[in-house]
Amino acid sequence: GQQVMQIPQYQHVQEGEDFTTYCNSSTTLSNIQWYKQRPGGHPVFLIQLVKSGEVKKQKRLTFQFGEAKKNSSLHITATQTTDVGTYFCAGPFVKKLVFGQGTRLTINP
Amino acid sequence: ETGVTQSPTHLIKTRGQQVTLRCSSQSGHNTVSWYQQALGQGPQFIFQYYREEENGRGNFPPRFSGLQFPNYSSELNVNALELDDSALYLCASSLGLAGGLGTQYFGPGTRLLVL
Repeated sequence: GQQVMQIPQYQHVQEGEDFTTYCNSSTTLSNIQWYKQRPGGHPVFLIQLVKSGEVKKQKRLTFQFGEAKKNSSLHITATQTTDVGTYFCAGPFVKKLVFGQGTRLTINP
Repeated sequence: ETGVTQSPTHLIKTRGQQVTLRCSSQSGHNTVSWYQQALGQGPQFIFQYYREEENGRGNFPPRFSGLQFPNYSSELNVNALELDDSALYLCASSLGLAGGLGTQYFGPGTRLLVL
C-alpha cells in the first residue's frame, strides 16, 4: 500500500547537538511536505519540496528531497529547546495525503 | 486573517452514539480535509471536500461521513462510535485547484473520547 515511513521514531539530544529525521516513501512523490507538532498542539506546516534533489534552508533547518523523489530528510543544526516537538513528513498519493508516523524530538537543556 | 477553528475542543461519548464535529476554514480556502490522529501516531487522512463534494477518501468505513457548506465550513459525522474512534480529530483547510493536496493549515483539533 501507500506508505510513508519515518526514522527514528524518537530522538533525544542535548541542547546544541544536531538532529536529523528521515522519510521514505513506497512510491515516487510529486512533492513532500514537512510539519511540526508541538506537544499538545496541532501540526504546523514547515515547507514543501517539489523538485528532485531540492535543498531548502530555513535558518537552522535544512530540508532535502531525494533524486528519485522517494525520500527526504530534515536536519536541524545546533538544536534549541524551542525545537522540541514531533516532525512529520507527508506525501500526496492520488487523492489523499499520507503522513509518516513522525519523529519525536526531546532536548536536554 | 482568521485561521482554522474547530468545535468542540473536547468531547466524551459512549460506544454506539453519534458525533458531529465542526470546522471553519481559513479565510479564502476552498478545500477542507479531515484527519484522525491517535496518540503517538501521525494524522490519518479521512477525507477531503472541495466545492461541497467529497474529493478523496482514506481507509475509513462509511460510518465516517462529512459535509462542506457553501461558505467552505465543514462537518465530520461519525455514527455508531467505537472505542477505537477515541482520537484527536483535525481539520485542515487549503487552497487548491480541483481540491489539490497542497499546504494544510490545521485547526487546533477536537479530542474525542469514547467510553
